[in-house]
Amino acid sequence: AQSVTQLGSHVSVSEGALVLLRCNYSSSVPPYLFWYVQYPNQGLQLLLKYTTGATLVKGINGFEAEFKKSETSFHLTKPSAHMSDAAEYFCAVSPRGGSNYKLTFGKGTLLTVNP
Amino acid sequence: GAVVSQHPSRVICKSGTSVKIECRSLDFQATTMFWYRQFPKQSLMLMATSNEGSKATYEQGVEKDKFLINHASLTLSTLTVTSAHPEDSSFYICSANPSAGSSYEQYFGPGTRLTVT
Repeated sequence: AQSVTQLGSHVSVSEGALVLLRCNYSSSVPPYLFWYVQYPNQGLQLLLKYTTGATLVKGINGFEAEFKKSETSFHLTKPSAHMSDAAEYFCAVSPRGGSNYKLTFGKGTLLTVNP
Repeated sequence: GAVVSQHPSRVICKSGTSVKIECRSLDFQATTMFWYRQFPKQSLMLMATSNEGSKATYEQGVEKDKFLINHASLTLSTLTVTSAHPEDSSFYICSANPSAGSSYEQYFGPGTRLTVT
């Protein structure tokens, strides 16, 4: 069974500071990895995903994440936070292979950006 | 591209009534759609997988007679909450997997806020 752990339910940064949101997964085989963002009362928007190839993945809004197999991690970073980045962020995994790719979500990390 | 809509966005109903939520893929066909439930300040919980033309697959602990799912076409799945009770109040989100895309892609709808009084 797969599981996702997001360390820190709430991260607070100053505008312009580095954003680091942590995600670790547990799976017998490295899964597909995703980061989603959710603004209040809205659905989820895909920030980026890792499926194969280069382990450093660039996404929208200046975010990137690096897949580290040895650490079973997929941390999300952004060099300089913007006020508009304040939202809930979810890390998710999906199993490789098979025909039904169900997502398993972490509990989420609320990012607040202080002026 | 890859837009998913949900209707209604908000609904308030009385206890004991049924509510239908629609999930539509607007610019692509989706053989598979997923229904999630999200409680305040919590993560998404998968309720069921909806497959076009066949019965939905429900996750453990989800009552299939309570949450009726119909995936009648490649662009529409519906979730009906039958005999709703206040504990069914939640944020319901659907996602759709494009038939022509990679199997791991899911595009999410904007969600439906259900309040049962």
